[in-house]
Amino acid sequence: EDQVTQSPEALRLQEGESSSLNCSYTVSGLRGLFWYRQDPGKGPEFLFTLYSAGEEKEKERLKATLTKKESFLHITAPKPEDSATYLCAAYGNTGGFKTIFGAGTRLFVKA
Amino acid sequence: DTGVSQNPRHKITKRGQNVTFRCDPISEHNRLYWYRQTLGQGPEFLTYFQNEAQLEKSRLLSDRFSAERPKGSFSTLEIQRTEQGDSAMYLCAGQTMVGDTEAFFGQGTRLTVV
Repeated sequence: EDQVTQSPEALRLQEGESSSLNCSYTVSGLRGLFWYRQDPGKGPEFLFTLYSAGEEKEKERLKATLTKKESFLHITAPKPEDSATYLCAAYGNTGGFKTIFGAGTRLFVKA
Repeated sequence: DTGVSQNPRHKITKRGQNVTFRCDPISEHNRLYWYRQTLGQGPEFLTYFQNEAQLEKSRLLSDRFSAERPKGSFSTLEIQRTEQGDSAMYLCAGQTMVGDTEAFFGQGTRLTVV
């Protein structure tokens, strides 16, 4: 069965302290790996799509990478406004049209 | 702004009542999804439409839940005889038909069943 697991569940950083969030996936025939940001009480906001191992994408302080089993979201010199829940999701050949989401990593950045 | 609107944003209802939520995607979103999200969890797939056709439905979706997308534009999700366990955020997402691209979410409807 397709599965997406994110770690850690929560991460507390000081402003400027770089770190990485992990997303492990078990999806047959991966067709897309997505990262979203979600603020409390709001819908997920799209960040990145990755399609194949070795692919990398960047946006401001965020960089997403993909291997055959995992994806990482690297946060460089985070600021308090980066505090949010980061969701990873995957879409494969056997899941029909549904995208499987992980439970998310809650990131807290302290000034 | 993702272009996906959901109404209402919040709904409080008594157990046993019926509720209906609406999602308005942009015209380019031929694909439309409904998800449910509970506190501390990621969104959980409920159902998928391609234009007006409902092509996939989660096994988790009981027969109290029904969704429609008449004319392939807006969509509605109805929950009949609500239960306390239905309390959650209901999210709608739109996606174009071009390849395996990302879906764009609305702000969700927060349902509280008392």
